[in-house]
Amino acid sequence: EAGVAQSPRYKIIEKRQSVAFWCNPISGHATLYWYQQILGQGPKLLIQFQNNGVVDDSQLPKDRFSAERLKGVDSTLKIQPAKLEDSAVYLCASSLGGSRGYTFGSGTRLTVV
Amino acid sequence: DQQVKQNSPSLSVQEGRISILNCDYTNSMFDYFLWYKKYPAEGPTFLISISSIKDKNEDGRFTVFLNKSAKHLSLHIVPSQPGDSAVYFCAATTSGNTPLVFGKGTRLSVIA
Repeated sequence: EAGVAQSPRYKIIEKRQSVAFWCNPISGHATLYWYQQILGQGPKLLIQFQNNGVVDDSQLPKDRFSAERLKGVDSTLKIQPAKLEDSAVYLCASSLGGSRGYTFGSGTRLTVV
Repeated sequence: DQQVKQNSPSLSVQEGRISILNCDYTNSMFDYFLWYKKYPAEGPTFLISISSIKDKNEDGRFTVFLNKSAKHLSLHIVPSQPGDSAVYFCAATTSGNTPLVFGKGTRLSVIA
């Protein structure tokens, strides 16, 4: 079974620029999550999708972050404009349903300078 | 407000000895707990879990203990091996459906 694919692996941008991350979940996994992991902290949920609908985006900074999951498969997370404090690893995870079977991707490490 | 707390940022253990990683939680609605292991430049991988109806779950060298009254869980690794060196995250959820809430992690170093 192929894992959760994320790209790019690394990205360096200047503050106020925009950036997008892509995630391809495990085939058949209905639930997709984006987490932000700042250095020295645990992953923090940004948004949860069930198929192509948003279930929870209460912690997504909507003034600069947006995410979509077209056709209930791939997902993109965008930051526009980026701030220095957005420097983090952005992790995508998927599950068949519920929280008991998360599979994480390798993440995208974003550095904002 | 941190609902899941791992108060030890790091732990160093001799190879062959026991590693004990601790986790506390504040939300009494949590009823399912998981431990994830993370190597550098990789995503977290699932290690072991426990439901609130149990107080112990064992899988090979890994055992998780849950003390609901103290809102505390611990992960025991026996015997510890150098390949266990990684960051360990404690996570919790309610009814297995709400998104996982993670602690800050504990970096385990197993010294040969």
